[in-house]
Amino acid sequence: AQSVAQPEDQVNVAEGNPLTVKCTYSVSGNPYLFWYVQYPNRGLQFLLKYITGDNLVKGSYGFEAEFNKSQTSFHLKKPSALVSDSALYFCAVRDEDNYGQNFVFGPGTRLSVLP
Amino acid sequence: KAGVTQTPRYLIKTRGQQVTLSCSPISGHRSVSWYQQTPGQGLQFLFEYFSETQRNKGNFPGRFSGRQFSNSRSEMNVSTLELGDSALYLCASSLGSVEGRRAFFGQGTRLTVV
Repeated sequence: AQSVAQPEDQVNVAEGNPLTVKCTYSVSGNPYLFWYVQYPNRGLQFLLKYITGDNLVKGSYGFEAEFNKSQTSFHLKKPSALVSDSALYFCAVRDEDNYGQNFVFGPGTRLSVLP
Repeated sequence: KAGVTQTPRYLIKTRGQQVTLSCSPISGHRSVSWYQQTPGQGLQFLFEYFSETQRNKGNFPGRFSGRQFSNSRSEMNVSTLELGDSALYLCASSLGSVEGRRAFFGQGTRLTVV
């Protein structure tokens, strides 16, 4: 069975500082990993994904994530946080052996960037 | 290119009633998935349709059903509504032919059951 953990409910960071939102996963096969962001009263917006290849993935709005197979982690990072980055962030996984678009999402981490 | 459109945006229903939600995917997308989002359970996968066939199903009771039409538009139906069905229902579409493709989400339908 697939599962995703986001160990922090809330992350607070000062504007201009680097941010990290943590994600660990469990799948039986090779993982497809995604990060999505949700702003209030909005659907989810895609940030980035890891399917195969380089462990460092660059995505939208200056975000990047590092895939670490040995630690089964896919942490989201940004070198310099903006107040507008404040939102709810979801990590999602799908097993490559699990045919289809049925993601398993983590519980979400609320990011607050303080001015 | 229009995004994923969900209608209605907001809905209030009474316990015991049934409800139908609609999702129009991005043009050319053949995969439509549905998710339920609640504060307590987070985002949970309901089901996925691809070319009018249900391809995957999550762990929800049979009161939750769906279908997909030949134009890829999808509907989700919940019968005999319960208070616990109050949630934001999100639809996502994808090209679906290659499994690593990203999903595009609609803004959701917020269902309140009273």
